[in-house]
Amino acid sequence: NAGVTQTPKFRVLKTGQSMTLLCAQDMNHEYMYWYRQDPGMGLRLIHYSVGEGTTAKGEVPDGYNVSRLKKQNFLLGLESAAPSQTSVYFCASSYSGTSGGARWETQYFGPGTRLLVL
Amino acid sequence: RKEVEQDPGPFNVPEGATVAFNCTYSNSASQSFFWYRQDCRKEPKLLMSVYSSGNEDGRFTAQLNRASQYISLLIRDSKLSDSATYLCVVNGGDTGRRALTFGSGTRLQVQP
Repeated sequence: NAGVTQTPKFRVLKTGQSMTLLCAQDMNHEYMYWYRQDPGMGLRLIHYSVGEGTTAKGEVPDGYNVSRLKKQNFLLGLESAAPSQTSVYFCASSYSGTSGGARWETQYFGPGTRLLVL
Repeated sequence: RKEVEQDPGPFNVPEGATVAFNCTYSNSASQSFFWYRQDCRKEPKLLMSVYSSGNEDGRFTAQLNRASQYISLLIRDSKLSDSATYLCVVNGGDTGRRALTFGSGTRLQVQP
């Protein structure tokens, strides 16, 4: 059981180049997320998916696209990279439920992808 | 105003000390609350959930005050291995919104 894995671990891009980050999970989770983490900003949600074939925008979606063709994979694409997209990208998957009328959720994170855009 | 606010620290404490972090959240409809731990250059990992009645897990105690909209984490008998950034995390509370809202984190440095 590998949990959540991310590919690649590190990448350097030139402005205008494109790339795809791959996230895979083997826990059969329905929900998957892409975050970026910048110094002093905390984790910010880019896009998320509540199931195979569905995606939705998060807090900072501009400049990114996603796809969830298979339940276990969630891809994040940068069509034309910009220096402002230099960041650490974390993928997460989760399961959730309700207890006592409140909804709870546990997210499991991948190890992250460090992206530098020059 | 940020949805989840934390003192960034760093909190520098000696081994064996007791240290407490607070976190405030703005969305009164938030339903669930968590503390995550993040080591340097690593992914966040769930430390503990925070229940209304308060809960304890070994040296860690979490408290929730819904009236004042804050969450706390108490660490007793600090160890060197507790050095990390602690993230306060809140469920959005809106039925139409997925995912969790993360605070920027509080950095703890336990010194020998």
